[in-house]
Amino acid sequence: AQTVTQSQPEMSVQEAETVTLSCTYDTSESDYYLFWYKQPPSRQMILVIRQEAYKQQNATENRFSVNFQKAAKSFSLKISDSQLGDAAMYFCAYPIQGAQKLVFGQGTRLTINP
Amino acid sequence: KAGVTQTPRYLIKTRGQQVTLSCSPISGHRSVSWYQQTPGQGLQFLFEYFSETQRNKGNFPGRFSGRQFSNSRSEMNVSTLELGDSALYLCASSLYRGLDEKLFFGSGTQLSVL
Repeated sequence: AQTVTQSQPEMSVQEAETVTLSCTYDTSESDYYLFWYKQPPSRQMILVIRQEAYKQQNATENRFSVNFQKAAKSFSLKISDSQLGDAAMYFCAYPIQGAQKLVFGQGTRLTINP
Repeated sequence: KAGVTQTPRYLIKTRGQQVTLSCSPISGHRSVSWYQQTPGQGLQFLFEYFSETQRNKGNFPGRFSGRQFSNSRSEMNVSTLELGDSALYLCASSLYRGLDEKLFFGSGTQLSVL
């Protein structure tokens, strides 16, 4: 069964600095997608970034980038120039083929210190 | 374009009662899925509807049910409420079904069972 693991329940970073959130997953599929979602206090899950497994190039969205290591089944999220508005729960997610279903990690609570 | 709308935002019920939660997807989106979020179990998939048909169901008892209407709006129902049903219930919509489909989430309904 596909599983997603986030080993850091909480992380904190100084404003304007860089932080990396870790995620590992388990799958037997060769082609798949991975997502990072952000859940601020408003509770609405917001897609941060998406990576397709067959693409060698790491995805980047403005200050957000990933380090995708397919062989190691690792998918970490790097946030550069952290801003106060980045404070939220971050979830790594893996979509199950044919099921339109996401398997989520347990989440990492990110605090930004001014 | 309006986002995913969930009503009500908060709900308090007592054990044994039943509850109905509503989700209006983004206009044009045909797939609606539901997730339960609790501090202990994290985010768990409940079910997914596409074109008024349930396509997938998570590992939840039969007390949890749902439906989708011809306008893609969806409802989920929980009968004979238990204390453990207290959770944030999130609805997500997407245009179609596919691994790469981005899910757009609502702000959820916070259900408290007393």
